[in-house]
Amino acid sequence: EVQLVESGGGLVQPGRSLKLSCAASGFTFSDYAMAWVRQAPKKGLEWVATIIYDGSSTYYRDSVKGRFTISRDNAKSTLYLQMDSLRSEDTATYYCARHDYPGITSGFDYWGQGVMVTVSS
Amino acid sequence: DIRMTQSPASLSASLGETVNIECLASEDIYSDLAWYQQKPGKSPQLLIYNANSLQNGVPSRFSGSGSGTQYSLKINSLQSEDVATYFCQQYNNYPTFGAGTKLELK
Repeated sequence: EVQLVESGGGLVQPGRSLKLSCAASGFTFSDYAMAWVRQAPKKGLEWVATIIYDGSSTYYRDSVKGRFTISRDNAKSTLYLQMDSLRSEDTATYYCARHDYPGITSGFDYWGQGVMVTVSS
Repeated sequence: DIRMTQSPASLSASLGETVNIECLASEDIYSDLAWYQQKPGKSPQLLIYNANSLQNGVPSRFSGSGSGTQYSLKINSLQSEDVATYFCQQYNNYPTFGAGTKLELK
């Protein structure tokens, strides 16, 4: 059974940093691209970043480029999101999601339960 | 970025009714489109990919169609467990989502 379990969320002040983790199990992690997708309270879904299967390429939405870094450890089947210079508009539930393909051009076939990040003073 | 315009924003339907949700892309996305269902307090679940392919385990009352810039999700014989918010998503370019359609029972 595919499982994605996020951790690392919480309350953080504007300008500070936070690192999210996503532990994957039930599939060969190194075969798939992985992503972070966020959802602000009562809002829609917003793709944040993707890393392809071997970590050699990463992609970001413009609003987080230069502030967020997606990475993966295939030996540990774990995905990460380092979030620096956090802003109030980054407040959201962050989902770890699996692309159903090694690259970015695919949908998301499995999602974690989500972790809440609140940016507030 | 490719914009996805989803309609309607909300929808009220009766049990057993057929429901249609539309998604319009700002440019041709060559059927690189997925539909998701999100129930309150839960993570999204993939229903349809490649515009018309049913994800494993999804009931056959769900179907997708479309091409070019226009796509739709159809739910036949609406069930109570279908109450949810539905999102379209294109993956021809960096992923973008529609704003969602909230489906309620009449």
